[in-house]
Amino acid sequence: KAGVTQTPRYLIKTRGQQVTLSCSPISGHRSVSWYQQTPGQGLQFLFEYFSETQRNKGNFPGRFSGRQFSNSRSEMNVSTLELGDSALYLCASSITGTANNEQFFGPGTRLTVL
Amino acid sequence: GNSVTQMEGPVTLSEEAFLTINCTYTATGYPSLFWYVQYPGEGLQLLLKATKADDKGSNKGFEATYRKETTSFHLEKGSVQVSDSAVYFCALSDLSGTYKYIFGTGTRLKVLA
Repeated sequence: KAGVTQTPRYLIKTRGQQVTLSCSPISGHRSVSWYQQTPGQGLQFLFEYFSETQRNKGNFPGRFSGRQFSNSRSEMNVSTLELGDSALYLCASSITGTANNEQFFGPGTRLTVL
Repeated sequence: GNSVTQMEGPVTLSEEAFLTINCTYTATGYPSLFWYVQYPGEGLQLLLKATKADDKGSNKGFEATYRKETTSFHLEKGSVQVSDSAVYFCALSDLSGTYKYIFGTGTRLKVLA
């Protein structure tokens, strides 16, 4: 069974640009969550999608957005990039996203903003 | 709100030493608790979990017991190996219906041969 895949693995952008990251969950998983990982803040929850609906959103500005498609694949978009957006962005999938479901993480996309 | 507090690292041990990484949590209700491990250049992998009080999760020689009375979920291993060098994250599942996990800041473990 293929794991969670994220593309691209590495990205370099400049301030003011926008970026789109992609996540393909494990087959059969309908919940996709996104996290931002930085050395200072650890893992911060961005948002969670289930069946194309955003069920929860973390405390990030509106520049961070996401969506989920009917095949459960998800994308997140960051507009007007800032230097502080440099981070590892992790996607995790689970069957339903409920409390006892294990989350399976992808390898992440490392975004560098210059 | 719910939160997870982990001991700060890095933790440096010699091979075959005993490992403890402390984790305490604040939560309403009875969340599920998890330990994840992140090896260099990789995403997080579930190491073990416990879903109710007094449950013991175990995997690959690692153990953690869900202690409701002390709101703790400390990770232990009797004899660490160099290959255990990684960052370990304690996490809980938020039961408030928000469908999110709350992670600790991570503890880096370095095991020396």
